[in-house]
Amino acid sequence: KQEVTQIPAALSVPEGENLVLNCSFTDSAIYNLQWFRQDPGKGLTSLLLIQSSQREQTSGRLNASLDKSSGRSTLYIAASQPGDSATYLCAVGNYKLTFGKGTLLTVNP
Amino acid sequence: GAGVSQSPSNKVTEKGKDVELRCDPISGHTALYWYRQSLGQGLEFLIYFQGNSAPDKSGLPSDRFSAERTGGSVSTLTIQRTQQEDSAVYLCASSSPTSGSREQFFGPGTRLTVL
Repeated sequence: KQEVTQIPAALSVPEGENLVLNCSFTDSAIYNLQWFRQDPGKGLTSLLLIQSSQREQTSGRLNASLDKSSGRSTLYIAASQPGDSATYLCAVGNYKLTFGKGTLLTVNP
Repeated sequence: GAGVSQSPSNKVTEKGKDVELRCDPISGHTALYWYRQSLGQGLEFLIYFQGNSAPDKSGLPSDRFSAERTGGSVSTLTIQRTQQEDSAVYLCASSSPTSGSREQFFGPGTRLTVL
């Protein structure tokens, strides 16, 4: 059974800092890895998707990497802003996604 | 609209009543998914539709839960004889058949409270 772990559970940083969120999974036979952001009381917003054949994806200030052999992914956020404050979720799977519990990020002005 | 929509946004019901939750996927998306998000369990997969068929309903927690999809579009998730442990946010997602990546796009969710 696939298990997804996200570390840290919560992170508080000052505005402007670069930061890394971590995601690990137990079964390396994944199809996709998808990073989401969830604002309080809202649904999930897809940030980046990495297919199993890919190593990384970039969108603006976000960069996600995937190392299947070690069962890890990282989400790098450059020059963090208060608007980046949210819960970040990592999920792996094919059609059926298995989610981590998320990292609650607070960026302080 | 351009995104996945769900209704109602909030539903409060009494224990033992039946509820129906609705999902409208992004136009043209043939795959549709239901998930549940609760404080104790995080986000859990419930069921997956491809067109009107549900090849994987392994995440439905009991036979009180059922879902259907008609016309390859709208889906309803029905919970019969609701229990307090059914209280959660129910999220729907869809993905495009032309996208080999199967990137899932989520709706805003329905918050269900069972009193």
